[in-house]
Amino acid sequence: QVQLVQSGAEVKKPGASVKVSCKASGYIFVNYGITWVRQAPGQGLEWMGWISGYSGNTNYGQKFQGRVTMTTDTSTSTAYMELRSLRSDDTAVYYCARDYCTSTNCYEDYWGQGTLVTVSS
Amino acid sequence: QSVLTQPPSVSGAPGQRVTISCTGSTSNIGAGYDVHWYQKLPGTAPRLLIYGNRNRPSGVPDRFSGSKSGTSASLAITGLQAEDEADYYCQSNDSNLSGSGVFGGGTKLTVL
Repeated sequence: QVQLVQSGAEVKKPGASVKVSCKASGYIFVNYGITWVRQAPGQGLEWMGWISGYSGNTNYGQKFQGRVTMTTDTSTSTAYMELRSLRSDDTAVYYCARDYCTSTNCYEDYWGQGTLVTVSS
Repeated sequence: QSVLTQPPSVSGAPGQRVTISCTGSTSNIGAGYDVHWYQKLPGTAPRLLIYGNRNRPSGVPDRFSGSKSGTSASLAITGLQAEDEADYYCQSNDSNLSGSGVFGGGTKLTVL
């Protein structure tokens, strides 16, 4: 069965960086992309970006461009999301999700369990 | 402010039907991008409910249905059950954002 298992909770100080991992299993990693989504406390879902499992091509949300880097390691079927220059409003649960694409669109069909990132001095 | 607009809350009694709207524009829903719907319970990951405007993944009850017209989409839930109380999000893509994904602000469904 398809599973996405994320790394554990992190506590970071403002200005630091965080790198969250997402290990995939149960499917051919390079055949799908990975999307990252976050949810701040009391807020809605926010799309952060996407990375191709095959080519490593990325599409970052405008809000995060210059501050986020998404990568993959196909040898371990793991995706990574690094966010730099952390601020208190980056405190959120970060989710990875498998991106299933049809001829017309893509959607997220399987999700990781989420990783809480707390930014606090 | 979300690119896709949803009502903050809706409510209904058990057994009733409710609908949740998702209003976009000509750069997202109206541009032909599909709309997908997710259910979010506190402390759990989002769950895909509807993909490609009206399709249900296996395991999703047929009480949930989706539709799309013009620059808007809707999620309908019939035969409301207590377990349906959750937050619901629509999602699409936007050509003004280089095809990036966009979510609606979310709708809290309360089962009375």
